Amino acid sequence: AQSVTQLDSQVPVFEEAPVELRCNYSSSVSVYLFWYVQYPNQGLQLLLKYLSGSTLVESINGFEAEFNKSQTSFHLRKPSVHISDTAEYFCAARDFGNEKLTFGTGTRLTIIP
Amino acid sequence: DTEVTQTPKHLVMGMTNKKSLKCEQHMGHRAMYWYKQKAKKPPELMFVYSYEKLSINESVPSRFSPECPNSSLLNLHLHALQPEDSALYLCASSQASAAYNEQFFGPGTRLTVL
Repeated sequence: AQSVTQLDSQVPVFEEAPVELRCNYSSSVSVYLFWYVQYPNQGLQLLLKYLSGSTLVESINGFEAEFNKSQTSFHLRKPSVHISDTAEYFCAARDFGNEKLTFGTGTRLTIIP
Repeated sequence: DTEVTQTPKHLVMGMTNKKSLKCEQHMGHRAMYWYKQKAKKPPELMFVYSYEKLSINESVPSRFSPECPNSSLLNLHLHALQPEDSALYLCASSQASAAYNEQFFGPGTRLTVL
């Protein structure tokens, strides 16, 4: 992917409210898309990925993301957030045939009790 | 074992020191990666090893020297670093370097260069 854009650097949300973290990518070829989460002082963990098939992908902890090819987006959503969701979220893309993973600049999700 | 381990967790070194970071995985992955992450920034790719051969070097200064002694182990040798090299160094691995393979990240080594 030539670039991955996360427009929101910080998103504060009240506990149990819904959230959407936005991600747009640009690429001239097919891409694989990923969301990673980084908790404070930790490495990155894969949250979910889109490789092919159904455009809606889900994680085990209630997050989901939808691949929209026409809008070149892969927004992350959760219907009800918890304090434990406080973390940095990175969207990433990898072109078909490319070893390099391109990251967005990250969105810091802060949950307000 | 679905972990990538990294040692040490923290490292403080002077500009004249030589030190090494170590990364290990026992998932049978054949691609391994080094990333550098500065505070509040995304990880930046430094090196990719595929089947123990260096396949990508993202124009990293020669004071960083990677080594892949076998398919489970990845080292990063550090020499004559600068204070601006202080960062979190992340190791990752994937089944192969093909684009659809997810990367598994280690917890990182937090490096401080004095």
